[in-house]
Amino acid sequence: DTAVSQTPKYLVTQMGNDKSIKCEQNLGHDTMYWYKQDSKKFLKIMFSYNNKELIINETVPNRFSPKSPDKAHLNLHINSLELGDSAVYFCASSGGAYTGELFFGEGSRLTVL
Amino acid sequence: AQSVTQLDSQVPVFEEAPVELRCNYSSSVSVYLFWYVQYPNQGLQLLLKYLSGSTLVESINGFEAEFNKSQTSFHLRKPSVHISDTAEYFCAALKSGTYKYIFGTGTRLKVLA
Repeated sequence: DTAVSQTPKYLVTQMGNDKSIKCEQNLGHDTMYWYKQDSKKFLKIMFSYNNKELIINETVPNRFSPKSPDKAHLNLHINSLELGDSAVYFCASSGGAYTGELFFGEGSRLTVL
Repeated sequence: AQSVTQLDSQVPVFEEAPVELRCNYSSSVSVYLFWYVQYPNQGLQLLLKYLSGSTLVESINGFEAEFNKSQTSFHLRKPSVHISDTAEYFCAALKSGTYKYIFGTGTRLKVLA
């Protein structure tokens, strides 16, 4: 059983389109995250939800909108895609503050043409 | 602001040689520290972590790291590397009581035959 699963694994799309990435965790964690990894492997936090409440919102363009329908799911919707959005997007979860490590999904590679 | 520094972007080393990957963090309060490994086209996997207690922590595959509070370091070491250790290694820090994990820029370990 995969602990943190993301779909789709690959997305290839044209500039200006809208796309979504879904994430689910079966670890019973309260906190979920989206990270962006660029071509140089830099990992940058984008958003975090704790029990469906947004707790971290870094300086991300408002074309990016996260949604957490319940604490096991965190989706990422991106409007009006730009070339610079091409990256690998990782979903992760943790038990919350004080509780240790992040568990990562396999990543979703987005290519904007 | 909290930061994590990995000074070496790439470390080439011959098989069976020892290796040290450096990590320094900046925080005036308690932190939890982590090392993650990322194999090509995969997500990040936890290698080891320091939460409290013994300052020397070990992984199941022979890596170890030592938390040094006076030098604000958490360097990763292995006495004898294998070809299969070739990967990207990330150091991360979490300020105690918060949700925001900060990652270093990564060190690419390349083990040569």
